Amino acid sequence: GENVEQHPSTLSVQEGDSAVIKCTYSDSASNYFPWYKQELGKRPQLIIDIRSNVGEKKDQRIAVTLNKTAKHFSLHITETQPEDSAVYFCAASLPTDSWGKLQFGAGTQVVVTP
Amino acid sequence: NAGVTQTPKFRVLKTGQSMTLLCAQDMNHEYMYWYRQDPGMGLRLIHYSVGEGTTAKGEVPDGYNVSRLKKQNFLLGLESAAPSQTSVYFCASSADTGRGNYGYTFGSGTRLTVV
Repeated sequence: GENVEQHPSTLSVQEGDSAVIKCTYSDSASNYFPWYKQELGKRPQLIIDIRSNVGEKKDQRIAVTLNKTAKHFSLHITETQPEDSAVYFCAASLPTDSWGKLQFGAGTQVVVTP
Repeated sequence: NAGVTQTPKFRVLKTGQSMTLLCAQDMNHEYMYWYRQDPGMGLRLIHYSVGEGTTAKGEVPDGYNVSRLKKQNFLLGLESAAPSQTSVYFCASSADTGRGNYGYTFGSGTRLTVV
């Protein structure tokens, strides 16, 4: 099966600075990599995803990059704002025997200080 | 369009008691999942279903059972609750796009405490 490691576990940034979260995965056949944001006491929500045939994807202040050779993908948040404070989860899934199953990383607590 | 609805939102059980968590989705999604969330461990898959009448074990299935008698509902049962099952439980669903992978829609979660 797939194994996903996520670093760092906590990240403190000053408002306006950038934040980067990195995930590594074990199975080179994985082909779908979503990122979820979970605010305190709320459900995880999909914020961006990338498929293995794409190296980078952007959506306003967030971007995800994928390095298939090194088997890692990263979330980049630019010009951070207090509302970016949350737990962020990366995930990966395999195209075979996956049935859409996602393997999640352990999460990164991001704190944006004014 | 409610998305994914979980009931109940909170529950306290005594060790040995049983309960059922209900997940309902109105998006006609084929796939449904039950995850548990524990501090520092992310989201771990308990059981999942790829369609009405089908279920399969995930990463941490012991102590849980599931049923999917109707496409829109996915039930998670605890037959004899243990303190180790204290957790936040999330249901999720996703569409079968034919490409194998799609983003999840999560329910709002059930916070379960077993004393």
